[in-house]
Amino acid sequence: AQSVTQLDSQVPVFEEAPVELRCNYSSSVSVYLFWYVQYPNQGLQLLLKYLSGSTLVESINGFEAEFNKSQTSFHLRKPSVHISDTAEYFCAVTPMDSSYKLIFGSGTRLLVRP
Amino acid sequence: SAVISQKPSRDICQRGTSLTIQCQVDSQVTMMFWYRQQPGQSLTLIATANQGSEATYESGFVIDKFPISRPNLTFSTLTVSNMSPEDSSIYLCSGTGLGETQYFGPGTRLLVL
Repeated sequence: AQSVTQLDSQVPVFEEAPVELRCNYSSSVSVYLFWYVQYPNQGLQLLLKYLSGSTLVESINGFEAEFNKSQTSFHLRKPSVHISDTAEYFCAVTPMDSSYKLIFGSGTRLLVRP
Repeated sequence: SAVISQKPSRDICQRGTSLTIQCQVDSQVTMMFWYRQQPGQSLTLIATANQGSEATYESGFVIDKFPISRPNLTFSTLTVSNMSPEDSSIYLCSGTGLGETQYFGPGTRLLVL
């Protein structure tokens, strides 16, 4: 079985400051890892994913995440946030067993203040 | 990536009634799923929608309460039956193509009075 832990339920940060949203997972099998973002009153959008290869993955809007197998982590970072980054961020994993079932963390609300 | 649409986008229903949510994908997907997001919470998988056969339900979800159909590769429905206020949630469908990435619909916001 898999589980995903996002310890921070809310992260307040000032505009243009750096931010890190933490994600740790537990699994008895290898997994693929994802970050999804949910803007207010909208559905989920894929932000970035790790399937294989380089452990550092980037999104088009400046976010990056690094897969650390030894620490079973997939933390999300951005060096300088904007007001428009205010949203709920979900970390998720799916086991490499062809079921494609996503197991989500509890989510972290990023609140960017001017 | 797949573009997924859902209907209705939101609804307010009376307890004891049922609501059917439709999910349409713009291209063929291999897997389709239904998730529930209760107020202020994360997403929980309800079931995997299987084409032409019964859906595969996760623990805590049953077919009598959440009947699901998937008559073809690009369309699926979820019915929330005999609703109670506890069913007030956002219901999202998702699909995967040939890869491991799931794309989500915009969700259906359901309020049960």
